[in-house]
Parts: sequence; structure tokens; C-alpha cells
Amino acid sequence: DAGVIQSPRHEVTEMGQEVTLRCKPISGHDYLFWYRQTMMRGLELLIYFNNNVPIDDSGMPEDRFSAKMPNASFSTLKIQPSEPRDSAVYFCASSPTGGVAGELFFGEGSRLAVL
Amino acid sequence: QKEVEQNSGPLSVPEGAIASLNCTYSDRGSQSFFWYRQYSGKSPELIMFIYSNGDKEDGRFTAQLNKASQYVSLLIRDSQPSDSATYLCAVNFDYQLIWGAGTKLIIKP
Repeated sequence: DAGVIQSPRHEVTEMGQEVTLRCKPISGHDYLFWYRQTMMRGLELLIYFNNNVPIDDSGMPEDRFSAKMPNASFSTLKIQPSEPRDSAVYFCASSPTGGVAGELFFGEGSRLAVL
Repeated sequence: QKEVEQNSGPLSVPEGAIASLNCTYSDRGSQSFFWYRQYSGKSPELIMFIYSNGDKEDGRFTAQLNKASQYVSLLIRDSQPSDSATYLCAVNFDYQLIWGAGTKLIIKP
């Protein structure tokens, strides 16, 4: 399998612009997670989906962030408007139902810099 | 508040020695425990998980769990320079995965 695929790998944008990050989970995985990682705060769970339904979005920092999963093979994380404090690496991860709870397969991440 | 604590390091270990990484957690109800490895600029990857008290061995890696002391550790035998990475401890609390900040391990040739 190709693994979890994220795009773009790198994004540099200016404050106020809209940012859309994309993720394709591993085929057959029913859980999809969006994480953010910074030096200061480590890995933070933003939101996760089960069977395309958002289950817990309590980690989404504010209304500027939104996530969708229109089908089993695609998810987006959108930031509008972006701010410099959103600069981080954003990881998408997937996990199969019936697998080891806590066994996550991460994509390579999208490194975001907001100037 | 559910917390997972790790020493941030860096932990420097000579090549060939045993590296010992430690993690403590706050909730006695935790059921499963995970060690992820993250190379610089890369994504985390799972290397070991453990459910039961005691030791679990996989090649050069051993995970140790002591639920009474709320303590989980990872031992790496015969450390190699390729083991240099940040090791993240994660604990499953009621289906929530809580992450430690990670310990940076440096293996010196």
C-alpha cells in the first residue's frame, strides 16, 4: 500500500490567506486523524473521523479551522484566515477498525509557514 | 488532567550500549501504551505497544510496563547511530491517545 498521502508537503503563505491541506488515508482504514506538531506544544490532536463522520473536534483551535471528509479516501483541513501562529507541521494519520487502538499510520506531513 | 511525562533530553548513549527511555502517566485506568519513533523532519512511526504488566521484547527493543507505578519504559539494546531520533510515548485513556513531548536520543559512534 502507498501509505497515507498528504499534500502539499510544504506551504508558505501570507497571513490572512486560506490554506487547504489534503489527505488520502490508507485504503480500508476507517479512522482518520489530523494532528498538529510544534516544538512548543508537541503533537496535538485536532480532529478525528470514523467512517467519514467527525467524532471529536475539541482540539480544533478556533473557528478559523475546519475539516471535512467527503468520502473514505479523502479529507481536507482548511485554515481561513491563516495566522503566523498556525505555522506548524500538520500530520494526517489513519487507523483500521479492529486494529490496535493507538496504532496510527502517519503521512509525511504538511509543513506550513505563515508569514 | 490526563498527562504523559517524558524527559525531553537529549539523552546521549554510546554506540553498542543500552538506551533507556522512560515515561510516566497520570491515569491509572490507562489500558494500552505505545512507543513511536520520529526521525528529524519525518513522521512518527510505531515501534512497540504493550498492554500487560511486565516486559515485551521485539528484536533489540524491549518495552516495560509497571501499572502500579504508572511507568512505561523502552530499552534499546546494542544502540546504533540509526536509533538516533525522538521517541514519543503515547497512552490510551478511554480511547483518547495522549502523547508525551518526546525524548531526543543521540547515539554517539
